[in-house]
Amino acid sequence: QKEVEQDPGPLSVPEGAIVSLNCTYSNSAFQYFMWYRQYSRKGPELLMYTYSSGNKEDGRFTAQVDKSSKYISLFIRDSQPSDSATYLCAMSVYSGGGADGLTFGKGTHLIIQP
Amino acid sequence: DTAVSQTPKYLVTQMGNDKSIKCEQNLGHDTMYWYKQDSKKFLKIMFSYNNKELIINETVPNRFSPKSPDKAHLNLHINSLELGDSAVYFCASNLGQLQETQYFGPGTRLLVL
Repeated sequence: QKEVEQDPGPLSVPEGAIVSLNCTYSNSAFQYFMWYRQYSRKGPELLMYTYSSGNKEDGRFTAQVDKSSKYISLFIRDSQPSDSATYLCAMSVYSGGGADGLTFGKGTHLIIQP
Repeated sequence: DTAVSQTPKYLVTQMGNDKSIKCEQNLGHDTMYWYKQDSKKFLKIMFSYNNKELIINETVPNRFSPKSPDKAHLNLHINSLELGDSAVYFCASNLGQLQETQYFGPGTRLLVL
């Protein structure tokens, strides 16, 4: 069993829809949770960062962490074609990754249809 | 200004060759990393380095060796390249445990023929 499970998709939704992306994990030591967005042939860029359980909102993006269920989510409201990308969840035991680095899910390929 | 840069962007080479990928960060960060992203987009840590300590993921073959000439650079040397080394290699950096996140470079696409 991989440490982080993420459905690779593709996930295709119409413009304006609410998108829900999810990851589950097995390592209860993870405390820091991130979502990265990766456009084709580009490096990952950080979208959201959360520590421990709870919600965090930034514009159209909301990140949720449920440590009791080992489940994290990213919601995108009013989705736009420019949101089409691969979304990677990442997590770590130490802030910033530490010596162990970040552990990533496989990424979900999201397509927003105009 | 590019925060984390890598050269080359693309690298095509023959099996058995030795090659290097360079990474530079201008963020003043203490810790740098190398990640490998395979054909299925799975991103996995290879090395972390913070001037004092090199941590190697146990699954990385010893043909791969990071070398840091100074705090702002972490290069990746690969000896005796194999077909399975074909992937995208990303460099990343952060300010150790004081910084929330890692900043990634644009990646180097390596194709071994």
